[in-house]
Amino acid sequence: GAGVSQSPRYKVAKRGQDVALRCDPISGHVSLFWYQQALGQGPEFLTYFQNEAQLDKSGLPSDRFFAERPEGSVSTLKIQRTQQEDSAVYLCASSSTGELFFGEGSRLTVL
Amino acid sequence: KNEVEQSPQNLTAQEGEFITINCSYSVGISALHWLQQHPGGGIVSLFMLSSGKKKHGRLIATINIQEKHSSLHITASHPRDSAVYICAVKSAGNQFYFGTGTSLTVIP
Repeated sequence: GAGVSQSPRYKVAKRGQDVALRCDPISGHVSLFWYQQALGQGPEFLTYFQNEAQLDKSGLPSDRFFAERPEGSVSTLKIQRTQQEDSAVYLCASSSTGELFFGEGSRLTVL
Repeated sequence: KNEVEQSPQNLTAQEGEFITINCSYSVGISALHWLQQHPGGGIVSLFMLSSGKKKHGRLIATINIQEKHSSLHITASHPRDSAVYICAVKSAGNQFYFGTGTSLTVIP
């Protein structure tokens, strides 16, 4: 596609529900990043893929967070047993030559 | 510990004013990015630079590698420049670190 596409754009979940957020990077982009952005804050790194390999997951806040990119293109960020503190915008970015291209983000609200 | 520090956090300017946003970082980098985020909107990349200076329209970005400092300048500011400006650095390990952003409001 022309840009990085994320879905859903908005998600409301009840505390304890599992959610899955999808990222479609720009075709051919090797690197894919997930970030969490709380209100009024800059993006915080969650995890990074190079093709299908998850090279860094040091930013995932707990073992309730899991990300995958099984075929080296589309990636899914899964959050199990959501908590209120998980409410944030989840941003996906892809890169090939070093320049970052961001998706619109998925805004998660946990009630 | 914040690898990237931005100042000011908030900035209000009159239309037409010259604006400077500063970014300091503490890690070794291969590139520095200036990003723009409009309210409720996605993030777009304004500049990627590793040395010197780049200019695009009314926007100018400079970087001093020795001092680990970068500035983003906006000349003849306009209300449509109102946005959050984020500095991000790419480390040698290919990880990106982000500043918390500078919220700019340009008043007509």
